[in-house]
Amino acid sequence: QKEVEQNSGPLSVPEGAIASLNCTYSDRGSQSFFWYRQYSGKSPELIMSIYSNGDKEDGRFTAQLNKASQYVSLLIRDSQPSDSATYLCAVNMLRNSGGYQKVTFGTGTKLQVIP
Amino acid sequence: NAGVTQTPKFRILKIGQSMTLQCTQDMNHNYMYWYRQDPGMGLKLIYYSVGAGITDKGEVPNGYNVSRSTTEDFPLRLELAAPSQTSVYFCASSYPRDATGETQYFGPGTRLLVL
Repeated sequence: QKEVEQNSGPLSVPEGAIASLNCTYSDRGSQSFFWYRQYSGKSPELIMSIYSNGDKEDGRFTAQLNKASQYVSLLIRDSQPSDSATYLCAVNMLRNSGGYQKVTFGTGTKLQVIP
Repeated sequence: NAGVTQTPKFRILKIGQSMTLQCTQDMNHNYMYWYRQDPGMGLKLIYYSVGAGITDKGEVPNGYNVSRSTTEDFPLRLELAAPSQTSVYFCASSYPRDATGETQYFGPGTRLLVL
C-alpha cells in the first residue's frame, strides 16, 4: 500500500463547479496534512495545510480531514480555468521524536477546469 | 527575499559525466531538501539536511551526494550520470514547527537530461 495515495485523474469539471480532490494515507500517526498546487512546468506551492479533524476554509478552498478514516480532501468552489493544475497531497509522518519529520507526497491529481 | 534559487535551469549531460546542482535559500531555514520528479510522478526525496553540517539520505539517494557547509547552500552532486537520472530536480527549504510539521518552499527546479 502506498503511503499517500491519490487518483491521478485527470479530473474534469466545468467552470463554476465544485472540484473535489481526495487523498488517503497509511500512517495513523500522521499529524500534518498539506495540499500543494503545481502548474505544468512549475514548482509546487502550498495552498492549504490542516492539522485537526474537520474543515478548514480559505477563500474558495476547503480542506477536510478525517483521521479515523485516514483521508484528507480538498474542495475548490467556483472552479476557474486558472485552477487547472496538478494538486499534490503531502502528509507529515512522524518518524523521529524531536527530530526530522518525514513529509511524503502523493503522485498528484490533475485537475482540468473546462470553460 | 529571493526565496529558494536553483541553477542551472536546464542541463544536458552525457552518460558518465558529473555535475553539481546548486541550491540557495535566503530565508534562514534550517531544513533543506532535494527531490526528483519524474514525468507523471510525485516527488521522491533524495537527501535532506536539518542544519549546516548535517545531512541524511531520503528514499532514492543512490548516485547522488550532498553537502551542507552553510545554512544557505545545499548543493547536489551527481558523480556518474546515468539515463535513469533524467528528471526534474527540486530543492526546497522549511523552518520546522515542531510536531505540526512544516511548510516547504520550493525552488524553480532544474531539468536534467542524461543521454
